[in-house]
Amino acid sequence: QKEVEQNSGPLSVPEGAIASLNCTYSDRGSQSFFWYRQYSGKSPELIMSIYSNGDKEDGRFTAQLNKASQYVSLLIRDSQPSDSATYLCAALFSGGYNKLIFGAGTRLAVHP
Amino acid sequence: GAGVSQSPRYKVAKRGQDVALRCDPISGHVSLFWYQQALGQGPEFLTYFQNEAQLDKSGLPSDRFFAERPEGSVSTLKIQRTQQEDSAVYLCASSPFAVNTEAFFGQGTRLTVV
Repeated sequence: QKEVEQNSGPLSVPEGAIASLNCTYSDRGSQSFFWYRQYSGKSPELIMSIYSNGDKEDGRFTAQLNKASQYVSLLIRDSQPSDSATYLCAALFSGGYNKLIFGAGTRLAVHP
Repeated sequence: GAGVSQSPRYKVAKRGQDVALRCDPISGHVSLFWYQQALGQGPEFLTYFQNEAQLDKSGLPSDRFFAERPEGSVSTLKIQRTQQEDSAVYLCASSPFAVNTEAFFGQGTRLTVV
């Protein structure tokens, strides 16, 4: 079992819709979580971080964290074709220095 | 520079050859990470530096992999006697702090071992 699990997708949504990306993690001690966006052939780009239970909003993006359920999600409102990318969920491993554990990523396709 | 810089961007190595990959982190960043990303997978942790100290090298896949950051800025990842399974994108990331952290990635070095 991987430590951070994501549905590989592709998740296909129409332009303007809400895209919902989900992630579960196994390390109960993890306190910090991150969402990265990675375009094909490019490096991961940090888009959201979340440390507390609940929602955190930044523009069209909302991250949600539920530590009891070990669940993290990312909502993208008003999805645009330019949002088409792979979204990587990462958890900061509690047992070592600053070790980010990544999921395999969910590929999102936003079609016009 | 404004971001994390890695060189070379692409490297083709013959099996058995040694390679060295360079990372220039964002100026002043305390933390530096190396990750390996295979096609279709998320980045896999290799090693972590806090300034010049290598605090975690638990992800290095074998003793052929060696990383250093002697002056607490530029870092080099060296792979000796490369094998085909070493083919991947090697990503470097840096962070301003010693804890937490929001890490910023470089463009990566795509290594192909033939």
